[in-house]
Amino acid sequence: EVQLVESGGGLVQAGGSLRLSCAATGFSFSTYAMSWVRQAPGKGLEWVAVISGSGHETYSADSVKGRFSISRDHSKQMLFLQMDRLRAEDTATYFCAMDMWFGALSLTFDYWGQGALVIVSS
Amino acid sequence: SFDLIQPPSLSVSPGQTASVTCSGDKLGSKLVSWYQQRPGRSPVLVIYNDDKRPSGIPERFAGSNSGNTATLTISETQAVDEADFYCQAWDTTTAVFGGGTRLTVL
Repeated sequence: EVQLVESGGGLVQAGGSLRLSCAATGFSFSTYAMSWVRQAPGKGLEWVAVISGSGHETYSADSVKGRFSISRDHSKQMLFLQMDRLRAEDTATYFCAMDMWFGALSLTFDYWGQGALVIVSS
Repeated sequence: SFDLIQPPSLSVSPGQTASVTCSGDKLGSKLVSWYQQRPGRSPVLVIYNDDKRPSGIPERFAGSNSGNTATLTISETQAVDEADFYCQAWDTTTAVFGGGTRLTVL
């Protein structure tokens, strides 16, 4: 059974940094692209970043480019989101999500974690 | 990048058909997915590649995509279907979500 469990959320001051983690189990982690998707309180979903299964390709939304970095550790089956220079508007629940297709980067998400709340105080 | 536009809300009576629309420039040339999110829960994929249902999703859920509009159709709507629905599409390196539609069953 696929399981994605996020951790690392919390309260941070504007301008600070935070690192989110996502523990993945139940599938061949290195063969699926993974994404982070966020949701501000009471708002809609916003895609943040994606990393290919190999880890060689990464892409991110314009809103976080240059501040957030996505990475993965295959030996630990972990996905990460390093968030620097945080702003109040980054306050959101951050979900890790698994790409649907084996070996591809399709940006279609069929498994989601429960989310980690990040609050950036100004 | 591109934008996807959804109506903020939709109301339907139990047993009726709900049609949730998603509009975007030349959206028919992209592959569209739909997600259902109940309050306090993570999103669930209900339609992918315009009209495919993942395993476990009831046949009452159907999708279509043509021209500038994608549509999620929920037949015989039930109280359990009440949720926020998001359309989503992607190009080679970017995923975009619509603003979401709150479906109320009353």
